[in-house]
Amino acid sequence: KQEVTQIPAALSVPEGENLVLNCSFTDSAIYNLQWFRQDPGKGLTSLLLIQSSQREQTSGRLNASLDKSSGRSTLYIAASQPGDSATYLCALLNDYKLSFGAGTTVTVRA
Amino acid sequence: DTGVSQDPRHKITKRGQNVTFRCDPISEHNRLYWYRQTLGQGPEFLTYFQNEAQLEKSRLLSDRFSAERPKGSFSTLEIQRTEQGDSAMYLCASSWQGSGELFFGEGSRLTVL
Repeated sequence: KQEVTQIPAALSVPEGENLVLNCSFTDSAIYNLQWFRQDPGKGLTSLLLIQSSQREQTSGRLNASLDKSSGRSTLYIAASQPGDSATYLCALLNDYKLSFGAGTTVTVRA
Repeated sequence: DTGVSQDPRHKITKRGQNVTFRCDPISEHNRLYWYRQTLGQGPEFLTYFQNEAQLEKSRLLSDRFSAERPKGSFSTLEIQRTEQGDSAMYLCASSWQGSGELFFGEGSRLTVL
């Protein structure tokens, strides 16, 4: 059974600081890894998808890396803004099923 | 592409009542998933369909829960004899079999009084 851990559970930073969010997993036999953003009371918005054969993926200020050998992924958000305040979830796809971490709640202070 | 649509967005019901949620996936997606999310936790897998076939059900899905996807298009999730422990956000997602990328709807929040 895939176990996904996200540390820290919460993070508060001043505007402009770079964010580093960590995700670790126990089963490296994954199809892909997705990072999601969730605003309070809302659904999940897909941010980045990294296929199993890839090492990283970038979109604008976001960069995600994947190291299957160590069971880790990291999401970097450059030059954070108050609008980046949300919960960030990583999820791993084994066969057809996504397994989620509990998320990291980020607050960016203006 | 209108995205994944869920209805209703919020349902308040009394314990013992039945509720039904509907999910309309992205039109060309053949896989559809239901997840449940409680406060402070990540979503947990409930069940998934490939076309109209329900291929797996989590043990979280007791016999009070039933999901259908007639004709391989929209799906419904019904909860019978609701309990307070059923209070959660019910999320629907869809994907195309080959891509592995899931797209989620806005969720249906259930509150059982």
